Amino acid sequence: GAGVSQSPRYKVAKRGQDVALRCDPISGHVSLFWYQQALGQGPEFLTYFQNEAQLDKSGLPSDRFFAERPEGSVSTLKIQRTQQEDSAVYLCASSLVQGNTEAFFGQGTRLTVV
Amino acid sequence: QKEVEQDPGPLSVPEGAIVSLNCTYSNSAFQYFMWYRQYSRKGPELLMYTYSSGNKEDGRFTAQVDKSSKYISLFIRDSQPSDSATYLCAIYPGSGSARQLTFGSGTQLTVLP
Repeated sequence: GAGVSQSPRYKVAKRGQDVALRCDPISGHVSLFWYQQALGQGPEFLTYFQNEAQLDKSGLPSDRFFAERPEGSVSTLKIQRTQQEDSAVYLCASSLVQGNTEAFFGQGTRLTVV
Repeated sequence: QKEVEQDPGPLSVPEGAIVSLNCTYSNSAFQYFMWYRQYSRKGPELLMYTYSSGNKEDGRFTAQVDKSSKYISLFIRDSQPSDSATYLCAIYPGSGSARQLTFGSGTQLTVLP
């Protein structure tokens, strides 16, 4: 596609529910990142993939968060047993090569946990 | 201390004004300095990036980095209502194992017609 595509755009989950957020990066992009953006804040790093390998998951806030990119293209961020503090916009970014000097972001998934 | 501190704003200016947006950072190892623009309910969009110290100009936008004082700035000349957005500074190490961007908290800019 022309850009990074994320779905769904909006998700409302009841506390305790599991959610799955999808990211379709730009075709051929090696690097894929997930960020979490709370209201009025800048994005904060969650995890990084190079092709299918998850090279850095140091930003995942708890073991309820899990990400995968099994074939090196589409990625899914899963949050188990959602809590109210998980409410945020989840952004996916991809870049052509290793590193992040020219990363392209998707529009994000706005998650609201009620 | 956060790795990147950004003047929080919000900032409201009349059309045609010169806008100055500023960030400071704490780790001298960072080598790449970016500015992203984020419209409401959209993802961040890269405006420009600078490697090491110096200035970089792109149309009405100028990015400036002073590594000695760990200070980065974005200047917008002849500001337009379409420039109204949140501006995020970001830093990137450029070497080592870390590959992610570290963002400031953003400055919301409104340009009044």
